[in-house]
Amino acid sequence: QVQFVQSGPEVKKPGASVALSCRASGYNFAGFAIHWVRQAPGRRLEWLGWINGGRGDTKFSQTFQGRVTITRDASANTAYMGLSGLTSEDTAIYYCARSRWGIIDYWSPGTLVSVSS
Amino acid sequence: DIVLTQSPATLSLSPGERATLSCRASQSVSGYLGWYQQKPGQPPRLLIYDASNRESGIPARFSGSGSGTDFTLTISNIEPEDFAVYFCLQRTGSYTFGQGTRLELK
Repeated sequence: QVQFVQSGPEVKKPGASVALSCRASGYNFAGFAIHWVRQAPGRRLEWLGWINGGRGDTKFSQTFQGRVTITRDASANTAYMGLSGLTSEDTAIYYCARSRWGIIDYWSPGTLVSVSS
Repeated sequence: DIVLTQSPATLSLSPGERATLSCRASQSVSGYLGWYQQKPGQPPRLLIYDASNRESGIPARFSGSGSGTDFTLTISNIEPEDFAVYFCLQRTGSYTFGQGTRLELK
């Protein structure tokens, strides 16, 4: 079955950067895209961007353009997300999720990123 | 970005009743709208994709309708496990989410 294993929770200072990983299993990684989505306390879910697992092309939310990077290692079935210039507003649970033809279907358990001085 | 507005914010119903949840888009998303269920401490679960298509394994009591800017998720004959937060997601180029509707036990 489709499963994701994410890197562990992170605690960062304001201004720092964070790097998260997401290892997929149970499907052909190259045939689907991986999205990154976050859920901050009291706020609606926010989409950060996606990467095509096979071709590696990406698309980002304008909200995060210039601050987010998404890469993948198809040989390791793993996607990576980096976010720079962290503020307390970036404190959230970060999910990776798979999409088929643009439809987000399976989600990871999520990992908490806390930003605090 | 397209803004999705869900209503009501909270819906208080009893098992066996019918729930009707609404999602309105600030501009047309054609049929590219999905519905998800989320329970505390869990990731979202896809219920309906492209407005009206039930995902594999989702019970038939969940149904979706609508197109353009107005969409509805209906849960007929609510089961105890259905009490959760439901949100909509549009995927026209960029992706945006509704703020969610909490279905709670009356």
